[in-house]
Amino acid sequence: QAVLTQPSSLSASPGASASLTCTLRSGINVGTYRIYWYQQKPGSPPQYLLRYKSDSDKQQGSGVPSRFSGSKDASANAGILLISGLQSEDEADYYCMIWHSSVWVFGGGTKLTVL
Amino acid sequence: EVQLVESGGGLVQPGGSLRLSCAASGFIFSSYSMNWVRQAPGKGLEWVSYISGSSNTIYYADSVKGRFTISRDNAKNSLYLQMNSLRAEDTAVYHCARGVGVVGGSYYYFDYWGQGTLVTVSS
Repeated sequence: QAVLTQPSSLSASPGASASLTCTLRSGINVGTYRIYWYQQKPGSPPQYLLRYKSDSDKQQGSGVPSRFSGSKDASANAGILLISGLQSEDEADYYCMIWHSSVWVFGGGTKLTVL
Repeated sequence: EVQLVESGGGLVQPGGSLRLSCAASGFIFSSYSMNWVRQAPGKGLEWVSYISGSSNTIYYADSVKGRFTISRDNAKNSLYLQMNSLRAEDTAVYHCARGVGVVGGSYYYFDYWGQGTLVTVSS
């Protein structure tokens, strides 16, 4: 079982909100991890969006709009990237990442389609 | 302006070797840790290796341990990845990425990435 699992795709309408999940493997408690989120558009390298551990331990990347935010769902053992007021430019691949067992682990990525 | 420019990719046969370079500019190179992150065609991101600013601390992903060697030359503002015993599954775009924060500390993430260089392992 992968350390981090993301749905492969998600579709949402312009102006709506999209909730992208990053589920940690059973036995790895999401509450103890900082979850980092990256956005990657075709033909470009990833860009750092934000990190989230708790409401008191979070950081927005430089220049990242406030409509991108992080949270957690402890009951689902998952980190969440919430994008509100979706715009066509938000169409991209999104990756979560954690520092686990002395390595950086990425989720498989979610392709967000805005249509 | 921070710039990271990778080079050295190409086509290599299985079992062969290749050395990637990453030229950094726009920041004090020696003050930052650096990483290699790869992405197989049409696939997701995979972290490969980390090196601290002084080269004192190095980490590798299990998938490359014993075959790849990361190094840096702070006088030349350059990062390297020596790749030996290459396999088909090493085929990917290799990005260098600057790290900010403290590994294992309050935070650490990759804030700048290069465009990458493509490595293709095939006979």
